[in-house]
Amino acid sequence: EDQVTQSPEALRLQEGESSSLNCSYTVSGLRGLFWYRQDPGKGPEFLFTLYSAGEEKEKERLKATLTKKESFLHITAPKPEDSATYLCAVQALSGGTSYGKLTFGQGTILTVHP
Amino acid sequence: NAGVTQTPKFQVLKTGQSMTLQCAQDMNHEYMSWYRQDPGMGLRLIHYSVGAGITDQGEVPNGYNVSRSTTEDFPLRLLSAAPSQTSVYFCASSTPTGGNIQYFGAGTRLSVL
Repeated sequence: EDQVTQSPEALRLQEGESSSLNCSYTVSGLRGLFWYRQDPGKGPEFLFTLYSAGEEKEKERLKATLTKKESFLHITAPKPEDSATYLCAVQALSGGTSYGKLTFGQGTILTVHP
Repeated sequence: NAGVTQTPKFQVLKTGQSMTLQCAQDMNHEYMSWYRQDPGMGLRLIHYSVGAGITDQGEVPNGYNVSRSTTEDFPLRLLSAAPSQTSVYFCASSTPTGGNIQYFGAGTRLSVL
C-alpha cells in the first residue's frame, strides 16, 4: 500500500526565515511525486511534479527536490503570502485503470509572520 | 476556460437524505476523481474514472456512487447520508498527455446532521 507522511504538521516562520518541509513516501514504483498548495476554502493548486531521484524544480521562492525515499520543499526567504497548506502526493507505476490515482499526505500548514 | 466546476459550494443534509454533488470540467480531460478531505487526514480518494462509462473504487468508496456518461461530467451521489460523511469534497481532472497533473475544483463543504 502506498503511503505518504509529511512533517512537520505545522510550521511558523518569520518573514525571510528559510526552512524546508519534508515528504516521506513508500510506493511500489514511483510514477511521479506532486506538490500542491492549498489556501483556506480553496482546492489544491499544482506546484511541481518530480519523476526521478535527483530531480529538482524551482518556482519563485520554492524549490522541490526528490530522493528515493523522500522529497523536500525548500522555502527561501518566505513572505506572508506563502502562508498555506502544502500537500505532497505520489502516483504509483501501475497499468490500466489505476493511472490517475494520487495518494496524499496529510499536509503541512505553513504560517509566515511579517 | 472555467477548469473544474463544483456545485453546490455548501450543503447541509439530514441523516438519511440523498443528494448529488456535481462536477464538470471543460478541459477535455480523460481522468476524473473524487476526494474527501478531513482534518489531519489529507485527501482520500473515493471514486475515479478513466473515461466515459468507466469508473472504479478508490480508498473510501462506501456510501458513495458515481457514473460517467460524458467526458465533462462526473457526479457523486450520496444515497443515504450519514454524519460520518461530513467533509469537504473535491473533484479533480487530469490527462496523461499533460503529465497527469490533477486540477481541482473549489470544493463542496457538506454537513450531515
